[in-house]
Order: sequence, then C-alpha cells, then structure tokens
Amino acid sequence: DAGVIQSPRHEVTEMGQEVTLRCKPISGHDYLFWYRQTMMRGLELLIYFNNNVPIDDSGMPEDRFSAKMPNASFSTLKIQPSEPRDSAVYFCASSLGQGTTNEKLLFGSGTQLSVL
Amino acid sequence: KQEVTQIPAALSVPEGENLVLNCSFTDSAIYNLQWFRQDPGKGLTSLLLIQSSQREQTSGRLNASLDKSSGRSTLYIAASQPGDSATYLCAVKGNQFYFGTGTSLTVIP
Repeated sequence: DAGVIQSPRHEVTEMGQEVTLRCKPISGHDYLFWYRQTMMRGLELLIYFNNNVPIDDSGMPEDRFSAKMPNASFSTLKIQPSEPRDSAVYFCASSLGQGTTNEKLLFGSGTQLSVL
Repeated sequence: KQEVTQIPAALSVPEGENLVLNCSFTDSAIYNLQWFRQDPGKGLTSLLLIQSSQREQTSGRLNASLDKSSGRSTLYIAASQPGDSATYLCAVKGNQFYFGTGTSLTVIP
C-alpha cells in the first residue's frame, strides 16, 4: 500500500480564496483524521470520520472550515474563505479501527498551506 | 482536557550515546500511547504503540515504557545515530489522540 496520500503538497493562495485539501486513506482503514500543525499550537485534531461518517468535528475552528468523506477512499477539507491565520501544515491520518494495535495512526506527508 | 508535555523541547547528544525522551500526561484514563518521529517537512511516522495494559514495547534500538498511574512514558534510544535526528512526539489516546509538542533531537557525528 502506498500509505496515506495527500494533495497538494504545497498550496499558496490569497486571503479570501477557497482552498481544498485532499486525502486518500489507506485501503481498509475505517478511521480518517484531519489534523493541523502550527508552531504555536502543535498538532490539533480538526475532525475525524468512522466509516465515512463524521464523528467529532469539535476541533473545526469555525464555519469557514468543512470536511467531507464521500466514500471510503477519499476525503476533502475545505476552507472558504481562507485567512492568513489558516496558514499551517494540514495532515490527514488513518487507522484500521479501535482497540489494540488497530489504533496505530498512519500519517500522510501533509499539505503546507500559506495564505497571503 | 488531557495535557501532554514533553521535556526537554530540544536535546543534542554525541553519536553513540544512549538517551531518554520524556512524555507526561495529566489524565491517566488512556487507552494507549504512541510515539512518533517527524522529520523536517515530513509527516509523522509511528514508532511504537503501547496499550494501556502494557508496561513497555520494543522495536530495534527503541524501547518505550508506560506508567499510567504516574502519567509518564519514556522513549529510550540506544546507541544513537545521526539518522535518529528528528522531532519525537508522543500522543495519548483518550476520547481522541492528544499530542505533545515534541522533543527535537540532534545526534552529532
């Protein structure tokens, strides 16, 4: 398996523009997580899905952020409109399930977002 | 809310030295703890996962221990190498994963 695949690797956009980040989890993994990493706040959970259903979106900063998982092999994180304070590295991660080693988190390479 | 702390924030050691990285957490009601490695500009790589019922896990030169009652975990790296230079993060699983801010390790040749 190629691992968790994220695109794009880098995104530079201007304030007010819509940004869409993409993630393909590992095949067979039931859980998908979106994280944001900044120097100030470290790694923060934004939202996670179980079997394509959003379970906890309490980490989504505000209504400008939305996430979808239309099928088991694809998820998007959208920011509209984007603001400079959204600049960060956004990671997608997946895990097989819950309990024992099934909860091992496997991360993608991340999307470096810069909002000018 | 679970608070995860990693001290020191940065560590520099000569090649060949054995070292210990520390992770402490405030709520002992966890399901598991994971240690990750992050290289600059890259994602996180899972190193070890310790279930709440376990005391330690080993993988090669790495050994992670867990003491739930005291809210502590350590990652022991034996015979450090320059390739071990990276940031090491721990994450504890309660209702979600809570991450520490990491220890940046530099191994000097």
